[in-house]
Amino acid sequence: ETGVTQTPRHLVMGMTNKKSLKCEQHLGHNAMYWYKQSAKKPLELMFVYNFKEQTENNSVPSRFSPECPNSSHLFLHLHTLQPEDSALYLCASSQDVPSGSRGEQFFGPGTRLTVL
Amino acid sequence: QQQVKQSPQSLIVQKGGISIINCAYENTAFDYFPWYQQFPGKGPALLIAIRPDVSEKKEGRFTISFNKSAKQFSLHIMDSQPGDSATYFCAASSGTGGFKTIFGAGTRLFVKA
Repeated sequence: ETGVTQTPRHLVMGMTNKKSLKCEQHLGHNAMYWYKQSAKKPLELMFVYNFKEQTENNSVPSRFSPECPNSSHLFLHLHTLQPEDSALYLCASSQDVPSGSRGEQFFGPGTRLTVL
Repeated sequence: QQQVKQSPQSLIVQKGGISIINCAYENTAFDYFPWYQQFPGKGPALLIAIRPDVSEKKEGRFTISFNKSAKQFSLHIMDSQPGDSATYFCAASSGTGGFKTIFGAGTRLFVKA
């Protein structure tokens, strides 16, 4: 596997279910991100992990819970979601330095989530 | 002040024509302006990027024009091809703003053969 992989690619869940999205980067990067992509809206940054520490939580509802066990893996745990949470969830990674120097973000193909 | 406004929302161009997508920002602390290209079923991929110390950057058929005083930047695709049909996102970020990148809403480009 190369680049950034995400599983599953498609997920349908009920509002009472608990599921997890998985992201793995094979690029040796030190920063990982979760984005939400909805139709006709800008990409919404949800969470940022840099050097395994969560550095950004963009006012995301608590029904979304991230986990970053190491610099290569990122999870998004989902529970009691709402239909409006249906979207494409993208994972990305980048190689950044502590001073905040920008690194190109490499995106995975996304997980298409449908909440019934 | 954190927004990046992108226009148009959609664009149809004849093969061989020039595609132009515009973006505007407010935060003068932004110092890195990438453009991402996204095909259906794929995640966005970096196409070209510019820093505000230059007014133009060209890579093949793709050119970014940057106007620092107007806080605007644009993507020009010369000799547009059907294979360029995709959604394009402009973005902006700041080296002093942590690792946050602000994306525009996207432009869906369709190049007619």
